[in-house]
Amino acid sequence: SQTIHQWPATLVQPVGSPLSLECTVEGTSNPNLYWYRQAAGRGLQLLFYSVGIGQISSEVPQNLSASRPQDRQFILSSKKLLLSDSGFYLCAWTTGVYGYTFGSGTRLTVV
Amino acid sequence: AQKITQTQPGMFVQEKEAVTLDCTYDTSDQSYGLFWYKQPSSGEMIFLIYQGSYDEQNATEGRYSLNFQKARKSANLVISASQLGDSAMYFCAMRLLSGTYKYIFGTGTRLKVLA
Repeated sequence: SQTIHQWPATLVQPVGSPLSLECTVEGTSNPNLYWYRQAAGRGLQLLFYSVGIGQISSEVPQNLSASRPQDRQFILSSKKLLLSDSGFYLCAWTTGVYGYTFGSGTRLTVV
Repeated sequence: AQKITQTQPGMFVQEKEAVTLDCTYDTSDQSYGLFWYKQPSSGEMIFLIYQGSYDEQNATEGRYSLNFQKARKSANLVISASQLGDSAMYFCAMRLLSGTYKYIFGTGTRLKVLA
């Protein structure tokens, strides 16, 4: 069966520290992968998407970067976190036939 | 520009009654998909219902139905017989059927079901 794993579930990080959030998909090949961020009480904002290994498209200029080192692995990173990076981060995948399947999310608080 | 608009930041409904959550969209594309997701307080995004732009009949999934009016560019979610467990944030989303399959989300409607 197809599953998506996202970790960690919660994270509290000081300003200026690095960040690495990981997302892996099982049970499918060559998925499109996405990172979304949801600020408190707001909608979802697309940050990055990838249609293949090493292919990353950025939607919003920011302090974050993404990488796809393997077909089913998507990583969101930052070298130095800002307070404004706080939020709920969701990874999602699709092969296009059906809609998104979302991960369980990471709640990031930058202090 | 593509856009999803949800004009109801919050809604209340009495248990066992029906409720309609509004969603309008804007796109110049002919092929697109419309989705509704439920987000409980835990944060997970739960898929509820899908409507394709070429589907002539309104989609239904159990207690959920999508009132699709293409000419008005609206895709309202109707929840029948509301339950306490329906209390959550609801997001309308549009997927462009190009190769990237990116979604555009609305700002959401917070639904509270009253006992």
